[in-house]
Amino acid sequence: DSGVTQTPKHLITATGQRVTLRCSPRSGDLSVYWYQQSLDQGLQFLIQYYNGEERAKGNILERFSAQQFPDLHSELNLSSLELGDSALYFCASSTRPNPGNGYTFGSGTRLTVV
Amino acid sequence: AQSVTQLDSQVPVFEEAPVELRCNYSSSVSVYLFWYVQYPNQGLQLLLKYLSGSTLVKGINGFEAEFNKSQTSFHLRKPSVHISDTAEYFCAVMAGNQFYFGTGTSLTVIP
Repeated sequence: DSGVTQTPKHLITATGQRVTLRCSPRSGDLSVYWYQQSLDQGLQFLIQYYNGEERAKGNILERFSAQQFPDLHSELNLSSLELGDSALYFCASSTRPNPGNGYTFGSGTRLTVV
Repeated sequence: AQSVTQLDSQVPVFEEAPVELRCNYSSSVSVYLFWYVQYPNQGLQLLLKYLSGSTLVKGINGFEAEFNKSQTSFHLRKPSVHISDTAEYFCAVMAGNQFYFGTGTSLTVIP
């Protein structure tokens, strides 16, 4: 157990729908990162939050949004889902905003859009 | 711009044989270097990291990597692999505030 908790583990939904993925960072970590892992794109950085504030943005679609709450958990919202959004979504956390010691990853949420 | 290249997408190797997984990077700034391992249906786990100092870095599970600045490489090695090493391995570079991951190398250990 890495200490980073992601729920749900699996999610199956239809095109056009909206889902919310949840991440609780490791105790003491203030920074949360979201990644998308698909077979054709590999690991793509989506967005980072640090202590409630957006810190960095990667290849995140406008249909996707995220936030980090005062208790430091984070949610990734995916809307108007398309078949191509099917992927593994990982959350990672680190203590500082610049993860010089690397990330701690959760075990991911597997999203299947049908 | 930063990029990470893992030259081999799949590496099959017999049990107890040595293995090297190759990683090259390009960056115009100083970098930190990492190797992660992903076992089936799991998240990524940090194997080892190079931040500064000795260019030979030892990690968990008997893995080590060597930072070569002139060749911009950070190859991962293990002298004798085990069945349990079968997994996906990712090289990553941290430049500035962001991580950049390679596309991964699938290591399959053959009994």
